[in-house]
Amino acid sequence: DSGVTQTPKHLITATGQRVTLRCSPRSGDLSVYWYQQSLDQGLQFLIQYYNGEERAKGNILERFSAQQFPDLHSELNLSSLELGDSALYFCASSVEETGFGNTIYFGEGSWLTVV
Amino acid sequence: AQSVAQPEDQVNVAEGNPLTVKCTYSVSGNPYLFWYVQYPNRGLQFLLKYITGDNLVKGSYGFEAEFNKSQTSFHLKKPSALVSDSALYFCAVRDSYYGGSQGNLIFGKGTKLSVKP
Repeated sequence: DSGVTQTPKHLITATGQRVTLRCSPRSGDLSVYWYQQSLDQGLQFLIQYYNGEERAKGNILERFSAQQFPDLHSELNLSSLELGDSALYFCASSVEETGFGNTIYFGEGSWLTVV
Repeated sequence: AQSVAQPEDQVNVAEGNPLTVKCTYSVSGNPYLFWYVQYPNRGLQFLLKYITGDNLVKGSYGFEAEFNKSQTSFHLKKPSALVSDSALYFCAVRDSYYGGSQGNLIFGKGTKLSVKP
């Protein structure tokens, strides 16, 4: 158990809908990362937050957004869903913002299926 | 830009034999290298990392990795494979580019390890 908690574990929704994925980081970790894992794209970095502020953006679509709340949990919002958004979405956390040697710990992921 | 390559999509090993999963990297500056494992329908689990120091890094579940700067490689190894080691293995490098991403992981495509009894 990494200590990173993600909900829901599985989600099935229709095209055009909006969903919210939730993540609680490990106790004491201030950085939260979101990744998308799909068969064709592999593991793609989406976005990073540190202590409530956006710190880095990767290959995140404009239809997607995220935020980190004062209690450090984070939510990833996916809107106007398309079939191609079906993927495993990981949340991860680490203790420091730019400590490159720090380990990033991953949750179990949220399986999103768009039908 | 930082990148890692895992040249093998799949590695097949007999139980009890040594295993190697290959990874090469390309970075500007110091490399910060990681190995993760993903079991079926599970999340990514951290195995080990190289930051600095000894070129041989020991990690979880009996795995180790050898950092080779001249060959820009960071191969994952285990002296004696177990059937339970069968999983998807990812090599990753920490992005140190300040203009955009700050410290997120850049992953290879993954290598599927299959250990047969």
